[in-house]
Amino acid sequence: QKEVEQDPGPLSVPEGAIVSLNCTYSNSAFQYFMWYRQYSRKGPELLMYTYSSGNKEDGRFTAQVDKSSKYISLFIRDSQPSDSATYLCAIGGAQKLVFGQGTRLTINP
Amino acid sequence: EADIYQTPRYLVIGTGKKITLECSQTMGHDKMYWYQQDPGMELHLIHYSYGVNSTEKGDLSSESTVSRIRTEHFPLTLESARPSHTSQYLCASSTNLLAGSVGETQYFGPGTRLLVL
Repeated sequence: QKEVEQDPGPLSVPEGAIVSLNCTYSNSAFQYFMWYRQYSRKGPELLMYTYSSGNKEDGRFTAQVDKSSKYISLFIRDSQPSDSATYLCAIGGAQKLVFGQGTRLTINP
Repeated sequence: EADIYQTPRYLVIGTGKKITLECSQTMGHDKMYWYQQDPGMELHLIHYSYGVNSTEKGDLSSESTVSRIRTEHFPLTLESARPSHTSQYLCASSTNLLAGSVGETQYFGPGTRLLVL
């Protein structure tokens, strides 16, 4: 079993839709929860970072962490074609940061 | 915005050649990392460093080597490239927020796409 599981998609939605991306993890010692966005032929860029259960909002993006269920989510409101990218979750603790496989998202105009 | 640079961005090379992938960051970060990423696959950590003169192997076995002589510079070397080394190589860095931890936010460079013929 992988330490971090992420549905690779691909996921295709119309512009303006609400997008939900999810990851599960197995190690309860993990303390840091991040979402990265990676455009084609680019390196990942950090979108959201949190280390506690609950919601964190930044513009159209909301990161949600449920430590009891070992489940994290990223919500994108009013999705735009420019949001089309691969989204990777990254979950870490002492000595380790583990990345999910990435979900490939396409927003159709 | 993170300032981390990788060169070359693309490299096509023949089997058996020695190559060095360069990575530099201007943020003064103590920790640096090298990942390998194949298309549609997750990132695999191949090397990391806590600071000058510190290098560690990551989770993925790799025939590459790294050095950390200066804080800002973390080159990766393949002594003899093979087609199995064809991949994207991503360099990252992070601050030393918690001593001994690699769980903090990492900032990535643009990557080097390597093709070994």
